[in-house]
Amino acid sequence: GAVVSQHPSRVICKSGTSVKIECRSLDFQATTMFWYRQFPKQSLMLMATSNEGSKATYEQGVEKDKFLINHASLTLSTLTVTSAHPEDSSFYICSAASSGGQGLNTEAFFGQGTRLTVV
Amino acid sequence: ILNVEQSPQSLHVQEGDSTNFTCSFPSSNFYALHWYRWETAKSPEALFVMTLNGDEKKKGRISATLNTKEGYSYLYIKGSQPEDSATYLCAFRSHTGRRALTFGSGTRLQVQP
Repeated sequence: GAVVSQHPSRVICKSGTSVKIECRSLDFQATTMFWYRQFPKQSLMLMATSNEGSKATYEQGVEKDKFLINHASLTLSTLTVTSAHPEDSSFYICSAASSGGQGLNTEAFFGQGTRLTVV
Repeated sequence: ILNVEQSPQSLHVQEGDSTNFTCSFPSSNFYALHWYRWETAKSPEALFVMTLNGDEKKKGRISATLNTKEGYSYLYIKGSQPEDSATYLCAFRSHTGRRALTFGSGTRLQVQP
């Protein structure tokens, strides 16, 4: 299957600082990237969807000014957690999909996830 | 809000046992049901994408069935091996044109040698 690389895998930051998480599709063009968040013992919850070259669409309850998403190229999307607080500590994972001409049932390929701890 | 539920939450079996898990999802606006296998510190790995009522798919010792009318899917593992230990996620895609998935919370499988 296709490879999606997410970096860093683990980060600890101080409260009030910003953290950038990168998601790269290594062997295909990702026209759409999804960012999910998972709190302990809960499901992966969609935060936002981004299409290359356009603004991200955020899910209800997700602050777009706090979670900045950039999808400037077909192989890279970034999520920046701005002014991080301890309650932002969570597991963040990206998923990339190509247009592929295969309709809506194409697989989405996941990164390895980032464990963010804000102290 | 779409509700996708998986049961059991966790499962411990002995090597060689066969096992199965359940994923329930909304029966309306169904488009596709995905199963993923997720090992610790790795990316979730796609197992199946299921779209048609009555679908049965198989990959090695793992198989899955789909009932869209009643809103459930079963994942079966025959002759479990320690390397099958992982969290198994199901994810629902609705017929709204959106490509994002709604995930269940997963079933954590531990296979004891």
